[in-house]
Order: sequence, then C-alpha cells, then structure tokens
Amino acid sequence: GENVEQHPSTLSVQEGDSAVIKCTYSDSASNYFPWYKQELGKRPQLIIDIRSNVGEKKDQRIAVTLNKTAKHFSLHITETQPEDSAVYFCSAGAGSYQLTFGKGTKLSVIP
Amino acid sequence: EPEVTQTPSHQVTQMGQEVILRCVPISNHLYFYWYRQILGQKVEFLVSFYNNEISEKSEIFDDQFSVERPDGSNFTLKIRSTKLEDSAMYFCASSVAENYGYTFGSGTRLTVV
Repeated sequence: GENVEQHPSTLSVQEGDSAVIKCTYSDSASNYFPWYKQELGKRPQLIIDIRSNVGEKKDQRIAVTLNKTAKHFSLHITETQPEDSAVYFCSAGAGSYQLTFGKGTKLSVIP
Repeated sequence: EPEVTQTPSHQVTQMGQEVILRCVPISNHLYFYWYRQILGQKVEFLVSFYNNEISEKSEIFDDQFSVERPDGSNFTLKIRSTKLEDSAMYFCASSVAENYGYTFGSGTRLTVV
C-alpha cells in the first residue's frame, strides 16, 4: 500500500518568514495530493490540493509543488502569521477511495 | 458553507460495550468515509462507502466494525465490542467524487475505559 513520509515533525518560524513542509510517497499510481490543516482539538480542513497533471498550484500565501519523478510534494507558506500555527498533514490518493496521511508537522509561528 | 455533522462529540464507554457513532454527510456528496486519529498521531483510514456498500477498508476495520447508511442521510460506524485501544477521535468525511477534497466532520472523541 501507499506510504507517506512527512518532514519535519515540528517547525518554528518567525512571523513573516516562510515555512516549507515536505512529503514523499511510495505508490507511483498516486495522483491526488491534498493538504490539511488541523488546529488543536478541531477537524482537519482542506487548505490546498494538487493533482498529478500539474507541477505547482498557488492560493494566496500557500503553494504546493509536486515532483512526480522523485515522488516528492511540498507545502510552502509565505509571510507566515500566528494564525497559521497548527498541525499540517499531507496526504496521497491513488484513484481509490482512501487517502494515506503523513504523520503531520506542527507549525509554530512566533510573533 | 455545508458541514459534515457528527454526534456525539464525546462518548465514554466500558470495554466490551457496543458504540454507534453517527454522521450526517453533506447532502450532495456521494462518497463517505470513516477515519480515526489516536491522540497526537496521524489520521488513519478505516473505511469508505459508496453506492450503499463498502468500497475499501483498512486492516484496522476488522469484524468488530461495521458501517451503515440506514436512512439516506445518516452514516453510522458501529464498534461491536470496544477495546481500550479503540480510544481515539473518529472523523467522518464525505466528498462529491472519489479523490476530491474531503470535508471532515468535527469528530467524536471515543474513550474506552
């Protein structure tokens, strides 16, 4: 089955700096890569997703890149703000019904 | 914005008891899922449901688990004989199509004592 590795597990940045979270996946059939943000005690919320037919997608301060050859995908948050502090999960889906999640990155934005 | 609704928000049960977790997916969504998250760990897939039947399930989803869509709006997860290790947050999710951004419910925190 699919295996998703996520790094780092924790990340602290100063407000206004950029944050990058990286994931790798194992199943070359995976073609859908959503990212979720989970605030403490709350539900995971979809923040951005990318499909295998594109290499990059951007939504305001958030961007995701995908390298299918290397089986890497990354989340980039620019101009970080304290409200960006949360746990971020990458995930991968292969045209099946389930998503496989990474272990999460706890992002702390220091004011 | 449409939401996935889960009840109860918290459930405490004795080991060996049966529990039913309830979910109301978004009305025009066709795919339904249960995931669980043990405290501080990643979100793990349990089961997906489409067209009134299970489409996929993980190794976690053994014979003590079952799902049902009893009335066209609710989607339930039953755990027949709970174990201590079933303690987790259980999230229901739905999507309009397969591999299309899930919407998660707010979760049910299950504590087995």
